[in-house]
Amino acid sequence: SQQGEEDPQALSIQEGENATMNCSYKTSINNLQWYRQNSGRGLVHLILIRSNEREKHSGRLRVTLDTSKKSSSLLITASRAADTASYFCATVKDAGNQFYFGTGTSLTVIP
Amino acid sequence: EAGVAQSPRYKIIEKRQSVAFWCNPISGHATLYWYQQILGQGPKLLIQFQNNGVVDDSQLPKDRFSAERLKGVDSTLKIQPAKLEDSAVYLCASSRRTGGNTEAFFGQGTRLTVV
Repeated sequence: SQQGEEDPQALSIQEGENATMNCSYKTSINNLQWYRQNSGRGLVHLILIRSNEREKHSGRLRVTLDTSKKSSSLLITASRAADTASYFCATVKDAGNQFYFGTGTSLTVIP
Repeated sequence: EAGVAQSPRYKIIEKRQSVAFWCNPISGHATLYWYQQILGQGPKLLIQFQNNGVVDDSQLPKDRFSAERLKGVDSTLKIQPAKLEDSAVYLCASSRRTGGNTEAFFGQGTRLTVV
């Protein structure tokens, strides 16, 4: 399967804490992206990291990529109740731009 | 810019009936995707179009699912006949181009319940 796998499957934290979720994948990639999905809604793009990048920041988000281990992590700092959602990693294998999504991490931030 | 539009939002049908979903991508987006998302799982790519040509339909159950993208803009996904296991959210997405390093924009999805 070309899909990634996120862990943990579910994560519950207090507001203000940091949340870390991990993604492992199997094939070589062009880039890896993280998406967020609120209940009953479509997915929203958060951040993209290219295969030749190791770390990227965007606001409260920090993404790392280790292509040798075929893994990525998403860190959300100073979490808020509004961050409650499911988070998915998507691997993009090549210039064909097919997005393959992982199984997702369900994050609950308790006010 | 207007987002990806999908209709209907919800659909309930009996097994063996047929159903169709419609998607209007963001204007100017050449690539269009249909995904199936079963409850508690990640989206699974069913088919990818580049303009009106199919790039990847390797995971589309072609005995019952079909999709078209006439004129390279709107797209429809059809299921005929539906099975209970087709109950899922069907998501349409679009992106500007191939070539990597571009994001996908998603519609809100159509939730299908097959009873």
